Amino acid sequence: QVHLVESGGGVVQPGRSLRLSCVASGFIFTNYAIHWVRQAPGKGPEWVAVMSHDGANKYYADSVKGRFTISRDNSKNTLYLQLNNVRPADTAVYYCARAHSSNWKNCFDPWGQGTLVTVSS
Amino acid sequence: EVVMTQSPATLSVSPGERATLSCRASQTVSNNLAWYQQRRGQAPRLLIYAASTRATDIPARFIGTGSGTDFTLTISSLQSEDSAVYYCQQYNDWPPYTFGQGTKLEIK
Repeated sequence: QVHLVESGGGVVQPGRSLRLSCVASGFIFTNYAIHWVRQAPGKGPEWVAVMSHDGANKYYADSVKGRFTISRDNSKNTLYLQLNNVRPADTAVYYCARAHSSNWKNCFDPWGQGTLVTVSS
Repeated sequence: EVVMTQSPATLSVSPGERATLSCRASQTVSNNLAWYQQRRGQAPRLLIYAASTRATDIPARFIGTGSGTDFTLTISSLQSEDSAVYYCQQYNDWPPYTFGQGTKLEIK
């Protein structure tokens, strides 16, 4: 069964850093791009970043470009999101989600259960 | 950026009836459109992809139609478990991948 489990969320002060992790199981990790998607309280999902199956390509939303970094360790079946210089507007549940199939024009399936990041002084 | 607009914002329907949810894209997205269901406290779950193809284990009463800029999700024979927020998402023109603001479906 395909499974994604996020961790690393918590309360962080504005301007500080945090690293999120997403551990995958139940599928060949190296075959799929993986996304980060966030959802602020009471809002719809917002795509954050994606990394290709081999780590060669990555793309970011304008709202996080230059502050967040996506990476992956295929030997550990793990995706990461480094959050630097966080802002209150970054407060959200962060989900990792697998690409539905192995090409870029794709939706997200499945999603992990999410990890909450709260930016507050 | 492709802007996705969903209507209505809230829909209240009786059990056994049919619900019709709409999604409009600001430019054509071909059939690269997905629908997700998000129950309270849970992660989104893929229902429909390629505008009309049901995802694994999704019941046949969930039907997606449309192409280009206008899409519809129809849920027939509504059950209490269908109470959720439903989001559409385009994956034709990226980055960014973009979502609608959601339709909250309430079962009376």
